[in-house]
Order: sequence, then structure tokens, then C-alpha cells
Amino acid sequence: GDSVTQMEGPVTLSEEAFLTINCTYTATGYPSLFWYVQYPGEGLQLLLKATKADDKGSNKGFEATYRKETTSFHLEKGSVQVSDSAVYFCALSDPTNAGKSTFGDGTTLTVKP
Amino acid sequence: DGGITQSPKYLFRKEGQNVTLSCEQNLNHDAMYWYRQDPGQGLRLIYYSQIVNDFQKGDIAEGYSVSREKKESFPLTVTSAQKNPTAFYLCASSIGSGVEYEQYFGPGTRLTVT
Repeated sequence: GDSVTQMEGPVTLSEEAFLTINCTYTATGYPSLFWYVQYPGEGLQLLLKATKADDKGSNKGFEATYRKETTSFHLEKGSVQVSDSAVYFCALSDPTNAGKSTFGDGTTLTVKP
Repeated sequence: DGGITQSPKYLFRKEGQNVTLSCEQNLNHDAMYWYRQDPGQGLRLIYYSQIVNDFQKGDIAEGYSVSREKKESFPLTVTSAQKNPTAFYLCASSIGSGVEYEQYFGPGTRLTVT
């Protein structure tokens, strides 16, 4: 079946540091890939997505590139802020699985001033 | 403003009681989903519905039931058969069930059963 593996957290960074959160996946079909963010006590919000190989999703300074050859979709940001502290989820939607989404376990990011 | 509402935010029940969690969306989305989130874990799919009057079991449907009588509403009932019902429950919707569509999430309901 489908699966998403995220780097284990928690991750703690100083403000303005470079962020990378690794995400790799296995899927039967040719999936779309997503990053969602969850702030404390809230639901998830879409951060960015990519629907085909070599696509780069970007939003609010975050970027991720769909790498089919390495089955990866790593999240990066050049300079994090305290307000980026949240839980980040990598997810995929597989056409051979009725379009249902599979989520990683989430990575907690804390940014200190 | 369009969005998804879940109520209540916190819910407390005694063991052995059924409880229904509300989910309403005014985004005119066809597909709706229910997930369970436990501490330190990802989201696990309970039920999903791609169209009114139709729904399918997800990965952990045992002890739960749903209905989809209206496009905008997808209530979840946690029955007494659910062994570990205490969790954070998230409802989501998407325009359709195509793989390119992202999901929009409600704020969640935290259910505590004692």
C-alpha cells in the first residue's frame, strides 16, 4: 500500500536558519504530493502541492520539488521565523487508491528567537 | 466566508454512550472525509464520501458510522463499540476525489471519553 515517511522530529531552529524537512513516499500509481501545516489546536491547512514529476510547489517562502527518481518531496525554507512553528505533514493522493490521501506522521518545528 | 465548521470544539462523554460529531461545509465540495488524529501520529481515515448518499469505509471504520444526506453535511457517530474513542477528530472536504485536489480541513473536535 501507499506510505509516506517524514524525518523524525521535533526540529528546533533559531530564527533565520535554513529549514529542511525530508519526505519520501511509496505509491502504486503516480500520485500528487502535498505539504500541510497544522498550528496548535487547529485543523490542517494546505501549504503547497505538486501534481507531476519535477514540479515545484511554493508558498510563503516554502518550497518542495516532486522528485520521481528518488520518490521524495522535501520541504525547504531559506529563513524561518518564529511564526513558522507548527506541525508539518507530507501527504500523497494516489489515483489507484480512489484518490484517498495518505499522510506522514508529522514533523514538529519550533523556531526560537 | 466559505469554510468547514465542526462543532463542538471539545466534547466529553461517558463510556458506553454514542456521540455524534458535526461537520458542515459551504464550499460546494463533492467529497468529504473524516480523520482521527492521535498524539504524535499522522491522520488516519475513518470514512469518506465522494457524493451525496454514498460513503465508503476508510482504514479504521470499526466503531464509527456516518451519513451523507446533504452535500454540505457529513456527521460522524462514535459508537460504544469503538474501543479507544478519545482522540482529535478532523473533518475535511475537497472539490472532487481527483488526485490533484487538496483537502480543506475544519478546526477539529477533541473528544474525551471517560
